[in-house]
Amino acid sequence: DTEVTQTPKHLVMGMTNKKSLKCEQHMGHRAMYWYKQKAKKPPELMFVYSYEKLSINESVPSRFSPECPNSSLLNLHLHALQPEDSALYLCASSQDLAGRQPQHFGDGTRLSIL
Amino acid sequence: GQSLEQPSEVTAVEGAIVQINCTYQTSGFYGLSWYQQHDGGAPTFLSYNALDGLEETGRFSSFLSRSDSYGYLLLQELQMKDSASYFCAVRDRGTGGFKTIFGAGTRLFVKA
Repeated sequence: DTEVTQTPKHLVMGMTNKKSLKCEQHMGHRAMYWYKQKAKKPPELMFVYSYEKLSINESVPSRFSPECPNSSLLNLHLHALQPEDSALYLCASSQDLAGRQPQHFGDGTRLSIL
Repeated sequence: GQSLEQPSEVTAVEGAIVQINCTYQTSGFYGLSWYQQHDGGAPTFLSYNALDGLEETGRFSSFLSRSDSYGYLLLQELQMKDSASYFCAVRDRGTGGFKTIFGAGTRLFVKA
């Protein structure tokens, strides 16, 4: 079990569906991240939030829309995804953006696009 | 460009010592981290080096040489449960702020 909780653990959706991935942490961390990870590949950064404001968007397609409702929650809204978007989506948090602060990862949501 | 290089696979026997090397080329550098990830699991933080030298945490040690853009993770007294992927990751600063760039990962196989 990790201190970063992601739901759902698995998600299968069609290309026309709209769904959301949720991430929650109660460690008081002020930086939160979304990563995408393909099998046997490293995590790829998608978004960074710092103090609930979007800090980095790594040129992610607009069919992925992040949201940070409060300091404990991070959502990723999905719409009109493509089959190549099938991957493990990892949420992470750290105390802040300072270099020494380790990132704590959730177990991820395994997403399959039909 | 930004790149991190580490071996794709390493095999070692239980009880042995293994070293996983990482060289990096990034526009900025604010520290080198190591993460472990078991198949089907989440990455977990192992260590962080911002300054040159060796950091030791139990059976794991990590080393950094900033002048050589090089670091390594040393695992001692290997156990079967150490079989996993190990990622080196550089903390860099882009236009939007700090971010972590992961290497491609090294799969460690520990044999009995």
